[in-house]
Parts: sequence; C-alpha cells; structure tokens
Amino acid sequence: AQSVTQLDSQVPVFEEAPVELRCNYSSSVSVYLFWYVQYPNQGLQLLLKYLSGSTLVKGINGFEAEFNKSQTSFHLRKPSVHISDTAEYFCAVRSSGGYQKVTFGTGTKLQVIP
Amino acid sequence: DVKVTQSSRYLVKRTGEKVFLECVQDMDHENMFWYRQDPGLGLRLIYFSYDVKMKEKGDIPEGYSVSREKKERFSLILESASTNQTSMYLCASTTAQNYEQYFGPGTRLTVT
Repeated sequence: AQSVTQLDSQVPVFEEAPVELRCNYSSSVSVYLFWYVQYPNQGLQLLLKYLSGSTLVKGINGFEAEFNKSQTSFHLRKPSVHISDTAEYFCAVRSSGGYQKVTFGTGTKLQVIP
Repeated sequence: DVKVTQSSRYLVKRTGEKVFLECVQDMDHENMFWYRQDPGLGLRLIYFSYDVKMKEKGDIPEGYSVSREKKERFSLILESASTNQTSMYLCASTTAQNYEQYFGPGTRLTVT
C-alpha cells in the first residue's frame, strides 16, 4: 500500500518570500512522485514529476522539488512567490510498476499575502 | 493540448434521483479516472478504466457505477443519489504509461 502525507493544510506567505510545501510518502516499492496545482474553480494540472534520474526536479512557474529517498520526502519549493501562486497544491504518488493507481495527499492551500 | 471536458460544472439533484456525470477526452488516452474531492480529504479514487468496457474499483466505489462504451467517454453513475454524495467530482485521463493525469474542470454536485 502507498500513502501520502501533507502535514500543512494551509500555508500563508508574503509575496516575494520563499515557500516550501512539505510532502512525505510511504511505499514498499519504487515510486513516481508528482505535484499538482489547482487554481480556484479549476481542475488539477501537473506542476512537476519525478520518474527517475536527478533528484532535483524543475517544474512550471518557477517551482522545483527534491526527491529524498532516505527521508521519503518530495518537498515543493519556490524562491519567490507571486499573488498568482495562490492555489491548492497536491502531492501524489504511484508505484513504478504496472499498477495505475495514483494516491493523492489531502492538499495544501498556499495563500500569498500582498 | 489535451482536453478533458465534463458535461456540467454545477448540478443540483434530489435524493433518490439517478445521476449521470459525463467525461470526454480528445487525446485517445487509454486510462480514465473518476475522483471525488472533499475539503480536508483530498482526491479519492472512485473508479478507473484502462480500456473500453473495462473498469476497476477505486477506494470508494460504493454507491457509484461507471460505463465506458467508447474510448473517449467515461461516465459516472449515481444509481440513487444521497446527500453524502454532495461533492466535487473530477475526471482525469492519461496514457497507458500514466506519467501525467489530465483533469477536467470538475462538476460540483449538490444532492438535496
């Protein structure tokens, strides 16, 4: 079984400040990891993904995440946030084997304060 | 660009009604998914399909059924809607490799 934990349900941060959204996962097998973003009244869209290779993954809109296998973490970071980054962010995991199920975290709402 | 469309953005139904939620994707994706999204619970998988006429139960299939008669269309059916099925429903599709899921805009269903 696989699971994802996003400990922070809400993260307020001032505009132009850095931010880190935390994600921890558990799985007994190798995994693929994802971050999705959901803007108000929209579906989810992919920010970035880790499949293999470099543990530092860069995504859209200046976001990046680092895969840490020993700490089973995949934290999302941005050095300077904008008002337009206000959204809900979901971490997700799936096994790298054939089974297709993706498990999503409970989400973190990022509120950027002007 | 991949486009996933859902038949309604907002829907209000009465308890006991049969409800159909439709999802269509235009990228010839093999896999399609139905999730429900509730505050504090994230996304929970209801059903998914990896081929026409094939379906697999997700984590919370009770009270729901699905239909996939054509590759591009995946329908979620609430046989007898109940108030605890009031939620946001999200459809997604992906290729067989499932490296990225493409989501529709969601249907906010209210059952009164």
